[in-house]
Amino acid sequence: NAGVMQNPRHLVRRRGQEARLRCSPMKGHSHVYWYRQLPEEGLKFMVYLQKENIIDESGMPKERFSAEFPKEGPSILRIQQVVRGDSAAYFCASSLAGGLTDTQYFGPGTRLTVL
Amino acid sequence: DQQVKQNSPSLSVQEGRISILNCDYTNSMFDYFLWYKKYPAEGPTFLISISSIKDKNEDGRFTVFLNKSAKHLSLHIVPSQPGDSAVYFCAASNSGGGADGLTFGKGTHLIIQP
Repeated sequence: NAGVMQNPRHLVRRRGQEARLRCSPMKGHSHVYWYRQLPEEGLKFMVYLQKENIIDESGMPKERFSAEFPKEGPSILRIQQVVRGDSAAYFCASSLAGGLTDTQYFGPGTRLTVL
Repeated sequence: DQQVKQNSPSLSVQEGRISILNCDYTNSMFDYFLWYKKYPAEGPTFLISISSIKDKNEDGRFTVFLNKSAKHLSLHIVPSQPGDSAVYFCAASNSGGGADGLTFGKGTHLIIQP
């Protein structure tokens, strides 16, 4: 049973470019969470999605960031016009049933570096 | 504001001894707590959790203790093994409302000395 997959594992972008991060949840999981980890910090919740729906985006920056989880295909976290402060590790997690007592399984992360 | 605090950035323990990792929280609405373990270049791996209706949960070498009045929890690993060397994150949630994500501490780097 494959775990949560994220790609790319490393992404380098210049300021002003767009970054697209992909997450494929565990088989059978339809709940996806995105977190960001800045250097020397803990993980910070960004957004929670179910298939085709954004359930909670209270942790998402108001501008330049968006997320989707289409009916088919992986969840995408999109960052437009990246800035140096966006450099971080972005982790995706999935769960079977949603709800905060349902275990979230994390992917290996995408390390974004903005030059 | 840091709602989940892990005040020890690192901890060194001899192999075979007990490792105790501590975590404090400030949000009294948190009612579910978890510990994750993370190796470099990997995602966090779930270790153990505890609901606020309990004060102890045990799974093999890992035990989590919750003191609600002190808003404090701890993870005990006994006996400690070299493979336990990793960063440990404490996380909390409010299952009855609030954001749908987990709130994490900054982590404690556990180093098991041979």
